[in-house]
Amino acid sequence: TQLLEQSPQFLSIQEGENLTVYCNSSSVFSSLQWYRQEPGEGPVLLVTVVTGGEVKKLKRLTFQFGDARKDSSLHITAAQPGDTGLYLCAGVGRSGNTPLVFGKGTRLSVIA
Amino acid sequence: GAGVSQSPSNKVTEKGKDVELRCDPISGHTALYWYRQSLGQGLEFLIYFQGNSAPDKSGLPSDRFSAERTGGSVSTLTIQRTQQEDSAVYLCASSLATGFINQPQHFGDGTRLSIL
Repeated sequence: TQLLEQSPQFLSIQEGENLTVYCNSSSVFSSLQWYRQEPGEGPVLLVTVVTGGEVKKLKRLTFQFGDARKDSSLHITAAQPGDTGLYLCAGVGRSGNTPLVFGKGTRLSVIA
Repeated sequence: GAGVSQSPSNKVTEKGKDVELRCDPISGHTALYWYRQSLGQGLEFLIYFQGNSAPDKSGLPSDRFSAERTGGSVSTLTIQRTQQEDSAVYLCASSLATGFINQPQHFGDGTRLSIL
């Protein structure tokens, strides 16, 4: 069974600070997706990383896929209250024909 | 509507009752997924449909859970003889085409199920 471990589980920071959340596994994934979920809503896809070592930027968010495609990180620069939410990573298995495996998420709170 | 629609948004029922949850995917999306999210937990995969067939039912927690999809569109998730541990948010998602690689899943806002 493929598992994704996310850390930290909870993070509370002041507006303007930088942060990094991690998504780790002992398994190789063909791609990883990052979602953000706000209370009372479903997750919304932020990015998909496919190639080992790939770095993608989405405004103040930087996503990286590990060289071995077993881990990923999300770095947020100058966090804002609007970044508050649950950040979930989800992996696609090597065959590409198995359902997404979700981590338990990092719950981020950015205080103004 | 433009997005995935789930109903009801909230459901409170007594232990032992049956419940039916509905998901209306984005028009044209052939793949449909059901997940369960318990408090403080990530998403637990339950079942997915490609068209009207369900290739993978391995995630269903017990034989009290069943799902169907008709006409390649609306899906219902049925829980029989509900138990308190069934309390959770049930999320539905849909995506284009087959395979999981690079296919973004579009989620509904979920049904919050509470078993008394």
